[in-house]
Amino acid sequence: AQSVTQPDIHITVSEGASLELRCNYSYGATPYLFWYVQSPGQGLQLLLKYFSGDTLVQGIKGFEAEFKRSQSSFNLRKPSVHWSDAAEYFCAVGATGGFKTIFGAGTRLFVKA
Amino acid sequence: DVKVTQSSRYLVKRTGEKVFLECVQDMDHENMFWYRQDPGLGLRLIYFSYDVKMKEKGDIPEGYSVSREKKERFSLILESASTNQTSMYLCASSPGTGYEQYFGPGTRLTVT
Repeated sequence: AQSVTQPDIHITVSEGASLELRCNYSYGATPYLFWYVQSPGQGLQLLLKYFSGDTLVQGIKGFEAEFKRSQSSFNLRKPSVHWSDAAEYFCAVGATGGFKTIFGAGTRLFVKA
Repeated sequence: DVKVTQSSRYLVKRTGEKVFLECVQDMDHENMFWYRQDPGLGLRLIYFSYDVKMKEKGDIPEGYSVSREKKERFSLILESASTNQTSMYLCASSPGTGYEQYFGPGTRLTVT
Protein backbone atom coordinates (compact mmCIF):
# COMPACT_ATOMS: atom_id res chain seq x y z
CA ALA A 1 0.00 0.00 0.00
CA GLN A 2 1.11 3.55 -0.63
CA SER A 3 2.34 5.54 2.33
CA VAL A 4 4.15 8.78 2.99
CA THR A 5 6.31 9.53 6.01
CA GLN A 6 7.47 12.93 7.11
CA PRO A 7 9.77 12.15 10.03
CA ASP A 8 9.85 15.66 11.47
CA ILE A 9 6.69 16.99 13.10
CA HIS A 10 8.22 20.44 13.40
CA ILE A 11 11.47 22.16 12.49
CA THR A 12 12.87 25.52 13.54
CA VAL A 13 15.39 27.35 11.39
CA SER A 14 16.88 30.81 11.52
CA GLU A 15 15.96 33.31 8.85
CA GLY A 16 18.53 33.12 6.06
CA ALA A 17 19.55 29.57 6.90
CA SER A 18 19.07 26.66 4.54
CA LEU A 19 16.17 24.25 4.89
CA GLU A 20 15.61 20.60 4.15
CA LEU A 21 12.32 18.85 4.89
CA ARG A 22 12.35 15.09 4.65
CA CYS A 23 9.84 12.87 2.92
CA ASN A 24 9.92 9.11 2.39
CA TYR A 25 7.33 7.21 0.44
CA SER A 26 6.34 3.64 -0.17
CA TYR A 27 5.00 2.72 -3.57
CA GLY A 28 5.55 -0.18 -5.96
CA ALA A 29 6.22 1.81 -9.10
CA THR A 30 7.39 5.32 -9.89
CA PRO A 31 4.94 7.56 -8.14
CA TYR A 32 3.80 11.08 -8.76
CA LEU A 33 5.25 13.17 -5.94
CA PHE A 34 4.17 16.53 -4.61
CA TRP A 35 4.95 19.11 -1.98
CA TYR A 36 2.25 21.44 -0.71
CA VAL A 37 2.38 24.36 1.72
CA GLN A 38 -0.38 25.49 4.05
CA SER A 39 -0.40 28.82 5.83
CA PRO A 40 -2.52 29.04 9.00
CA GLY A 41 -6.23 28.97 8.29
CA GLN A 42 -5.70 28.48 4.56
CA GLY A 43 -5.97 25.70 2.03
CA LEU A 44 -2.99 23.84 0.61
CA GLN A 45 -0.96 25.34 -2.21
CA LEU A 46 1.10 23.25 -4.61
CA LEU A 47 4.82 24.03 -4.35
CA LEU A 48 6.16 21.56 -6.88
CA LYS A 49 5.55 18.18 -8.47
CA TYR A 50 7.53 15.29 -9.92
CA PHE A 51 6.13 13.01 -12.58
CA SER A 52 9.18 11.81 -14.48
CA GLY A 53 12.44 13.01 -16.01
CA ASP A 54 14.89 15.25 -14.22
CA THR A 55 15.01 14.18 -10.59
CA LEU A 56 15.67 17.72 -9.35
CA VAL A 57 12.46 19.69 -9.53
CA GLN A 58 12.10 23.44 -9.18
CA GLY A 59 9.02 24.94 -7.64
CA ILE A 60 7.54 28.23 -6.60
CA LYS A 61 8.84 30.51 -3.84
CA GLY A 62 12.44 29.33 -4.42
CA PHE A 63 11.85 25.73 -3.33
CA GLU A 64 13.27 22.63 -4.97
CA ALA A 65 13.01 18.91 -4.33
CA GLU A 66 15.04 15.91 -5.34
CA PHE A 67 13.63 12.51 -6.15
CA LYS A 68 15.92 9.69 -5.07
CA ARG A 69 14.52 6.35 -6.15
CA SER A 70 17.12 4.31 -4.28
CA GLN A 71 16.18 5.98 -1.00
CA SER A 72 12.45 6.34 -1.74
CA SER A 73 12.79 9.97 -0.79
CA PHE A 74 11.60 13.30 -2.09
CA ASN A 75 13.13 15.94 0.18
CA LEU A 76 12.26 19.60 -0.08
CA ARG A 77 14.99 22.22 0.07
CA LYS A 78 15.42 25.95 0.10
CA PRO A 79 18.82 27.66 0.26
CA SER A 80 17.73 30.65 2.33
CA VAL A 81 14.57 30.72 4.40
CA HIS A 82 12.45 33.84 4.80
CA TRP A 83 10.17 34.56 7.74
CA SER A 84 7.18 34.25 5.37
CA ASP A 85 8.06 30.58 4.79
CA ALA A 86 6.75 29.70 8.24
CA ALA A 87 3.89 27.31 7.50
CA GLU A 88 3.05 23.62 7.40
CA TYR A 89 4.45 21.53 4.58
CA PHE A 90 2.92 18.36 3.23
CA CYS A 91 4.52 15.72 1.05
CA ALA A 92 2.12 13.64 -1.04
CA VAL A 93 2.17 10.70 -3.43
CA GLY A 94 -0.28 9.93 -6.21
CA ALA A 95 -0.34 7.38 -9.01
CA THR A 96 -1.82 6.98 -12.43
CA GLY A 97 -5.03 5.04 -12.30
CA GLY A 98 -5.45 5.82 -8.64
CA PHE A 99 -7.79 8.57 -7.58
CA LYS A 100 -6.49 8.89 -4.09
CA THR A 101 -3.51 10.96 -3.15
CA ILE A 102 -1.77 9.99 0.05
CA PHE A 103 -0.61 12.90 2.17
CA GLY A 104 2.05 12.86 4.83
CA ALA A 105 1.23 14.10 8.31
CA GLY A 106 2.97 17.39 7.65
CA THR A 107 6.00 19.25 9.01
CA ARG A 108 5.47 22.59 10.66
CA LEU A 109 8.24 25.06 9.95
CA PHE A 110 9.07 27.80 12.43
CA VAL A 111 11.42 30.60 11.37
CA LYS A 112 13.27 32.56 14.01
CA ALA A 113 14.73 36.01 13.49
CA ASP B 1 -4.68 30.12 -12.49
CA VAL B 2 -6.92 27.41 -11.16
CA LYS B 3 -9.40 28.69 -8.71
CA VAL B 4 -11.32 26.61 -6.21
CA THR B 5 -13.82 28.46 -4.08
CA GLN B 6 -15.76 27.31 -1.06
CA SER B 7 -19.07 28.81 -0.05
CA SER B 8 -18.09 29.83 3.48
CA ARG B 9 -14.83 30.41 5.37
CA TYR B 10 -16.48 30.02 8.76
CA LEU B 11 -19.71 28.30 9.69
CA VAL B 12 -21.41 27.68 13.02
CA LYS B 13 -24.24 25.16 13.16
CA ARG B 14 -26.26 23.42 15.84
CA THR B 15 -26.29 19.71 16.51
CA GLY B 16 -28.82 17.94 14.31
CA GLU B 17 -28.89 20.57 11.57
CA LYS B 18 -28.40 19.64 7.94
CA VAL B 19 -25.31 21.39 6.63
CA PHE B 20 -24.32 22.08 3.04
CA LEU B 21 -20.76 22.93 2.06
CA GLU B 22 -20.30 23.93 -1.54
CA CYS B 23 -17.22 23.92 -3.70
CA VAL B 24 -16.76 25.34 -7.19
CA GLN B 25 -13.77 25.00 -9.52
CA ASP B 26 -13.22 26.94 -12.71
CA MET B 27 -10.74 24.71 -14.59
CA ASP B 28 -13.01 22.01 -16.01
CA HIS B 29 -11.34 19.37 -13.83
CA GLU B 30 -12.77 15.87 -13.86
CA ASN B 31 -11.92 14.99 -10.27
CA MET B 32 -13.04 16.69 -7.09
CA PHE B 33 -12.43 15.83 -3.47
CA TRP B 34 -13.60 16.62 0.03
CA TYR B 35 -11.22 16.30 2.97
CA ARG B 36 -11.40 17.10 6.61
CA GLN B 37 -8.33 18.25 8.49
CA ASP B 38 -7.91 17.86 12.22
CA PRO B 39 -4.86 18.52 14.38
CA GLY B 40 -2.72 15.43 14.65
CA LEU B 41 -4.81 13.50 12.12
CA GLY B 42 -3.70 15.18 8.91
CA LEU B 43 -5.91 15.23 5.83
CA ARG B 44 -8.55 12.55 5.64
CA LEU B 45 -10.52 11.90 2.47
CA ILE B 46 -14.28 11.94 2.91
CA TYR B 47 -15.55 11.50 -0.66
CA PHE B 48 -14.35 12.08 -4.17
CA SER B 49 -15.97 12.35 -7.56
CA TYR B 50 -14.45 11.51 -10.93
CA ASP B 51 -17.34 12.65 -13.09
CA VAL B 52 -20.72 14.33 -12.90
CA LYS B 53 -23.11 12.28 -10.76
CA MET B 54 -20.29 9.84 -9.92
CA LYS B 55 -18.96 9.57 -6.41
CA GLU B 56 -16.79 7.26 -4.36
CA LYS B 57 -16.37 6.90 -0.64
CA GLY B 58 -13.09 7.93 0.83
CA ASP B 59 -11.65 6.89 4.16
CA ILE B 60 -14.22 8.49 6.48
CA PRO B 61 -17.58 8.79 4.67
CA GLU B 62 -19.81 8.07 7.68
CA GLY B 63 -22.15 10.92 8.48
CA TYR B 64 -21.54 12.63 5.13
CA SER B 65 -22.97 12.55 1.64
CA VAL B 66 -22.05 14.40 -1.55
CA SER B 67 -23.64 15.68 -4.69
CA ARG B 68 -22.17 16.50 -8.07
CA GLU B 69 -24.84 17.66 -10.47
CA LYS B 70 -22.53 19.86 -12.54
CA LYS B 71 -18.90 19.34 -13.39
CA GLU B 72 -17.71 22.47 -11.66
CA ARG B 73 -19.60 22.02 -8.40
CA PHE B 74 -19.17 19.44 -5.65
CA SER B 75 -21.23 19.68 -2.48
CA LEU B 76 -20.65 18.03 0.87
CA ILE B 77 -23.70 17.39 3.02
CA LEU B 78 -23.76 16.68 6.71
CA GLU B 79 -27.14 15.00 7.11
CA SER B 80 -27.38 15.63 10.85
CA ALA B 81 -24.46 17.60 12.19
CA SER B 82 -22.75 16.37 15.32
CA THR B 83 -20.11 17.95 17.51
CA ASN B 84 -17.48 15.46 16.32
CA GLN B 85 -17.85 16.93 12.84
CA THR B 86 -16.36 20.20 14.03
CA SER B 87 -13.37 20.52 11.75
CA MET B 88 -11.69 22.28 8.84
CA TYR B 89 -13.15 21.07 5.53
CA LEU B 90 -11.07 21.34 2.39
CA CYS B 91 -12.25 20.92 -1.17
CA ALA B 92 -9.87 20.15 -4.02
CA SER B 93 -9.95 19.48 -7.74
CA SER B 94 -7.53 17.67 -10.02
CA PRO B 95 -7.04 17.47 -13.79
CA GLY B 96 -6.44 13.72 -13.78
CA THR B 97 -6.00 10.64 -11.69
CA GLY B 98 -2.96 10.89 -9.48
CA TYR B 99 -2.23 14.42 -10.61
CA GLU B 100 -1.75 17.47 -8.43
CA GLN B 101 -4.71 18.81 -6.52
CA TYR B 102 -5.81 22.41 -6.24
CA PHE B 103 -7.35 23.34 -2.93
CA GLY B 104 -9.92 25.84 -1.84
CA PRO B 105 -9.34 28.08 1.19
CA GLY B 106 -11.25 25.77 3.52
CA THR B 107 -14.36 26.04 5.65
CA ARG B 108 -13.95 26.05 9.41
CA LEU B 109 -17.13 24.38 10.68
CA THR B 110 -18.12 24.50 14.32
CA VAL B 111 -21.03 22.37 15.51
CA THR B 112 -22.41 23.34 18.91
